Amino acid sequence: AQTVTQSQPEMSVQEAETVTLSCTYDTSESDYYLFWYKQPPSRQMILVIRQEAYKQQNATENRFSVNFQKAAKSFSLKISDSQLGDAAMYFCAYRSAVLRGGADGLTFGKGTHLIIQP
Amino acid sequence: EAQVTQNPRYLITVTGKKLTVTCSQNMNHEYMSWYRQDPGLGLRQIYYSMNVEVTDKGDVPEGYKVSRKEKRNFPLILESPSPNQTSLYFCASSMGRGVDTIYFGEGSWLTVV
Repeated sequence: AQTVTQSQPEMSVQEAETVTLSCTYDTSESDYYLFWYKQPPSRQMILVIRQEAYKQQNATENRFSVNFQKAAKSFSLKISDSQLGDAAMYFCAYRSAVLRGGADGLTFGKGTHLIIQP
Repeated sequence: EAQVTQNPRYLITVTGKKLTVTCSQNMNHEYMSWYRQDPGLGLRQIYYSMNVEVTDKGDVPEGYKVSRKEKRNFPLILESPSPNQTSLYFCASSMGRGVDTIYFGEGSWLTVV
């Protein structure tokens, strides 16, 4: 079974600075998809960015970018020019490209709580 | 507006009293699923459905049932709720698998006393 590990339960960054959230995963599959979700205090789940494993180019979405290292099974999220609205819980998630015999969906890490210091 | 709607949003119930959390999506999505979120554990999949009348267990299905009689609806049933099912529940849907955007409902807070 796939596992996703977020080793930083909590991170703190000054407003306007850059922060990187780490995520590693364990899989024997070669084709899969990776996601970062943001969960603000409202508990809404908001997709931040996604990456297809077969693509070497790192995904970017405005101030958000990833560093995808397939061989190392690492998928970190970089937030540039941090804003107060970025304060939230961030979840890394994995989805297989192949329909497995069991669960078909997202496997989530335990989350990183990001605090933005004004 | 694309939406996944869950009801109720908040519920306190007693052990053993059957309850249903409804989920409806207006995007004609084939894939729907339920997750639960517990402190320090992230989200874990309970059940999923690939289409009408097709459902399968996720990672934590014990104590739950689901049905998919219509494409838009995917209710989560707790036949005999227990306190360890106190959690935040999310319904989600997507058109297909893979990198397709997964839309989440706003969550349902369930407390079993």
